[in-house]
Amino acid sequence: EAGVTQFPSHSVIEKGQTVTLRCDPISGHDNLYWYRRVMGKEIKFLLHFVKESKQDESGMPNNRFLAERTGGTYSTLKVQPAELEDSGVYFCASSQNSLSTDTQYFGPGTRLTVL
Amino acid sequence: AQSVTQLGSHVSVSEGALVLLRCNYSSSVPPYLFWYVQYPNQGLQLLLKYTTGATLVKGINGFEAEFKKSETSFHLTKPSAHMSDAAEYFCAVRPSTGANSKLTFGKGITLSVRP
Repeated sequence: EAGVTQFPSHSVIEKGQTVTLRCDPISGHDNLYWYRRVMGKEIKFLLHFVKESKQDESGMPNNRFLAERTGGTYSTLKVQPAELEDSGVYFCASSQNSLSTDTQYFGPGTRLTVL
Repeated sequence: AQSVTQLGSHVSVSEGALVLLRCNYSSSVPPYLFWYVQYPNQGLQLLLKYTTGATLVKGINGFEAEFKKSETSFHLTKPSAHMSDAAEYFCAVRPSTGANSKLTFGKGITLSVRP
């Protein structure tokens, strides 16, 4: 069974540009999460989808970030326009259920560098 | 609000030595507790988790952790370190009540193993 995949693995863009990150969850997982780790800091929650609906987007830093999950399958996270402080590693995770006991399976992350 | 403290950013042990990685949490209600590991160029992998039941939890690769409510701790141990254990380790919590299923992480700690 394929795990969570993320594309691209690395992205280097200039301030003001737009970047779109993609996450493909494990097949059959209704729950999809985005997290971010800024250099030297802890991994922080961004948002949670249940199928195509946003269940919790309390961690989204500002309106430059837009997450979508069309059809409840893969998800994209767009940053527009990108700022220097957006640099970091963006992780995606998926789980079958949204129970607190359920394991979240993580992808390898996308390393975003904004110059 | 919940928080996780992992003291220090780096631990170095000799091969065959005891591994002890500390994790303390802050929460009004005891949360569910998780340890994840990230090997180079890979995603986060669940090592073990505590939800209910026995407070000593065994995970993959010979790791175990003990939930101590009185000390608000969930320290990770392994009796004998192996070179392949070199990685970054993250302690995380999730609420044990309510509908919030997001993970709150500590800053992570890098384990080096000396030959």
